[in-house]
Amino acid sequence: GQNIDQPTEMTATEGAIVQINCTYQTSGFNGLFWYQQHAGEAPTFLSYNVLDGLEEKGRFSSFLSRSKGYSYLLLKELQMKDSASYLCAVPGSNDYKLSFGAGTTVTVRA
Amino acid sequence: DADVTQTPRNRITKTGKRIMLECSQTKGHDRMYWYRQDPGLGLRLIYYSFDVKDINKGEISDGYSVSRQAQAKFSLSLESAIPNQTALYFCATSDGTGYAGELFFGEGSRLTVL
Repeated sequence: GQNIDQPTEMTATEGAIVQINCTYQTSGFNGLFWYQQHAGEAPTFLSYNVLDGLEEKGRFSSFLSRSKGYSYLLLKELQMKDSASYLCAVPGSNDYKLSFGAGTTVTVRA
Repeated sequence: DADVTQTPRNRITKTGKRIMLECSQTKGHDRMYWYRQDPGLGLRLIYYSFDVKDINKGEISDGYSVSRQAQAKFSLSLESAIPNQTALYFCATSDGTGYAGELFFGEGSRLTVL
């Protein structure tokens, strides 16, 4: 299986930047996903990285380093609505079923 | 209407009872999954199915069974519920192309076993 590690909680101020790190171990790499989950709701897709580097999508960016087994999700210009759990996930090496990290709960304060 | 629909959304039951959670989807996806979510543990895969005749165990299948009645329907059963099966359950689908595993989730079924 995949071993995925991310911090449990982070707190930041409205308008600030927060970086959520994720490290993973997998026998075969098929990309890395980030999902957002608001409390009591279903996870929703944020980003997918399969090549090294930074992918920017509006206020959210995701970075991948395959050699280091490392990714981060960068949330810029934080808004109150960004308060949520952010889940890092990697597919299996040959079956594409996703394994998830425990999630990072981000709290945005005014 | 949601593309992935779960019923019931909330259920309280007693130890030993049989429970079925149902999932239906209108996305036309072949792949369907059942996950459970517990605080601090994230989403863990219970069972998955890549087509109607394919059923596979996930990492925590003990105490659960599934049925893929049609491409659009995938149900999860707890034959004899126990309190540590209290959790939030999510059904998800994927089409297995393009992104290697982007999942589309239902709204969740919160199960409490007393």
